[in-house]
Amino acid sequence: AQTVTQSQPEMSVQEAETVTLSCTYDTSENNYYLFWYKQPPSRQMILVIRQEAYKQQNATENRFSVNFQKAAKSFSLKISDSQLGDTAMYFCAFSGANNLFFGTGTRLTVIP
Amino acid sequence: DTEVTQTPKHLVMGMTNKKSLKCEQHMGHRAMYWYKQKAKKPPELMFVYSYEKLSINESVPSRFSPECPNSSLLNLHLHALQPEDSALYLCASSQDHRQNLGYGYTFGSGTRLTVV
Repeated sequence: AQTVTQSQPEMSVQEAETVTLSCTYDTSENNYYLFWYKQPPSRQMILVIRQEAYKQQNATENRFSVNFQKAAKSFSLKISDSQLGDTAMYFCAFSGANNLFFGTGTRLTVIP
Repeated sequence: DTEVTQTPKHLVMGMTNKKSLKCEQHMGHRAMYWYKQKAKKPPELMFVYSYEKLSINESVPSRFSPECPNSSLLNLHLHALQPEDSALYLCASSQDHRQNLGYGYTFGSGTRLTVV
């Protein structure tokens, strides 16, 4: 069974600083995808970044990047130059056969 | 059009009412999902539709009844709900139900349901 663990329920970061959100997962699959979704107070879940397990290169999307360690089953999200609009719940997700498995989320607050 | 549209945004219903939630997408996605999300919790899968057929029902009580009239539309019919069913109901769509192909989801903004 796939499990996704986010061990940091809440985090805060000063505006313009860098923050890293942790995620670990457990699976016996070889090929899979990992995702980070952001859910601001507006409620809509927005895809932040995606990583294919077969790709060794870490995915990057503007200020967002991941540190993917396949052997350690770790998939952390780094947010650089944090902005007030980054305040949100962040969910790590793992691609099962037919649906995504979500972690419990990390609430990130960016402090002005 | 790259959106998933959910209506209504808010719904308050009594325990004897019948209501429906609606979800629509025009991206040509062939998989659609209903999730339930309680405050400060991750979304919980309820139903998966693939090519307009129900493929997964996560042991959801029969007071929730999904319907997929066509490839763009997904409904969730509600009847005789309980106060503990109050939650955010999220709809999502994906190019294909096979998530190990990496498509991910596009989510709607949800319906905030309150059962009184």
